[in-house]
Amino acid sequence: GAVVSQHPSRVICKSGTSVKIECRSLDFQATTMFWYRQFPKQSLMLMATSNEGSKATYEQGVEKDKFLINHASLTLSTLTVTSAHPEDSSFYICSARATSRPSLYEQYFGPGTRLTVT
Amino acid sequence: GESVGLHLPTLSVQEGDNSIINCAYSNSASDYFIWYKQESGKGPQFIIDIRSNMDKRQGQRVTVLLNKTVKHLSLQIAATQPGDSAVYFCAETSWGKLQFGAGTQVVVTP
Repeated sequence: GAVVSQHPSRVICKSGTSVKIECRSLDFQATTMFWYRQFPKQSLMLMATSNEGSKATYEQGVEKDKFLINHASLTLSTLTVTSAHPEDSSFYICSARATSRPSLYEQYFGPGTRLTVT
Repeated sequence: GESVGLHLPTLSVQEGDNSIINCAYSNSASDYFIWYKQESGKGPQFIIDIRSNMDKRQGQRVTVLLNKTVKHLSLQIAATQPGDSAVYFCAETSWGKLQFGAGTQVVVTP
């Protein structure tokens, strides 16, 4: 149980275009999902917290207009990288907190999406 | 600001030996700590966790030790296997957000 999927696993896009990444909780409902970014050989950096039915909360330094987050259902959150630039190339990872497990601590991670902007 | 950090970026371990991965944290308000394993191109995989009211917790082949006095966390892996080769992250959490340390690359040699 507690499986989180991401789609696509890899994407290549041209500079200036937008790309959408989906994060799904497959066997549980997730009121809260998190989006992380990871550069090569570096740690995960929290970008934003996504709550179903409300606006996402962005971490300091993360541009909300560039990284659009939508959490329209209890099993799906999307991250759209708008007007992508090569410096946006990174590994994007989502995690989900199960609604039925209200512990603040349990997060289930997706497999990540490798974004390459050319 | 406060952060979670690791002492060793790379740890080379011979197969069958025990591994010890260290982590220093600075946020005294953190009340829950987690170790994750991340293989190349994959998401983090939960290994073991520990709450701040404990100083030791054991799992299958893994043990986490927490020393709140010096704000130090460690992960011990017994009888390290080739499949243990990965990057290991400690993470601390307060108010539901995870803050990850820098990571340690563990390389298991035959």
